[in-house]
Amino acid sequence: DSGVTQTPKHLITATGQRVTLRCSPRSGDLSVYWYQQSLDQGLQFLIQYYNGEERAKGNILERFSAQQFPDLHSELNLSSLELGDSALYFCASSVEASSGELFFGEGSRLTVL
Amino acid sequence: DQQVKQNSPSLSVQEGRISILNCDYTNSMFDYFLWYKKYPAEGPTFLISISSIKDKNEDGRFTVFLNKSAKHLSLHIVPSQPGDSAVYFCAATPQGRQFYFGTGTSLTVIP
Repeated sequence: DSGVTQTPKHLITATGQRVTLRCSPRSGDLSVYWYQQSLDQGLQFLIQYYNGEERAKGNILERFSAQQFPDLHSELNLSSLELGDSALYFCASSVEASSGELFFGEGSRLTVL
Repeated sequence: DQQVKQNSPSLSVQEGRISILNCDYTNSMFDYFLWYKKYPAEGPTFLISISSIKDKNEDGRFTVFLNKSAKHLSLHIVPSQPGDSAVYFCAATPQGRQFYFGTGTSLTVIP
């Protein structure tokens, strides 16, 4: 158990819809990262937050947005969903903004039909 | 643009033998490298790391080698055990700002 909690574990929705994925980092971790893993792809970095502030942005689509709340949990919002958005979405946390180790949650599997 | 590449999607090794997983990177700004292990239905878990100021780091059966001139790193597992069967991801970061992951190598250790 990494200490990182992601909900929901599985989500099935239709194209055009909007979903929210939630992540609770390990206790004490200030930094949260979001990654997308599509079929046969590696982990694609989406975005990083540190203590409530956006710190780094990767290949995140404009239809996607995220935020980190004062209690340090984070949400990833995916809107106008397309079939290609079907993937595993991982959240990871670390103590510092530049920590050498990330702790991953079990992921949220999104299926868009 | 894939800055971290794992060109072998899969690898099979006999139990007790050495497993060697390879990783190449393109960004010379990367200064910290990590290996993660992932079992099905679980998130990746940290295995071992190496700073760019070193060329080798060892932790039990796991050793990571870094060749900066070739922009190449490898993970050696000796001896390999069936419980090592998993997908292994290589990752790299420039000062911890972003972590770039490879596409993974699926290791199967045959009893």
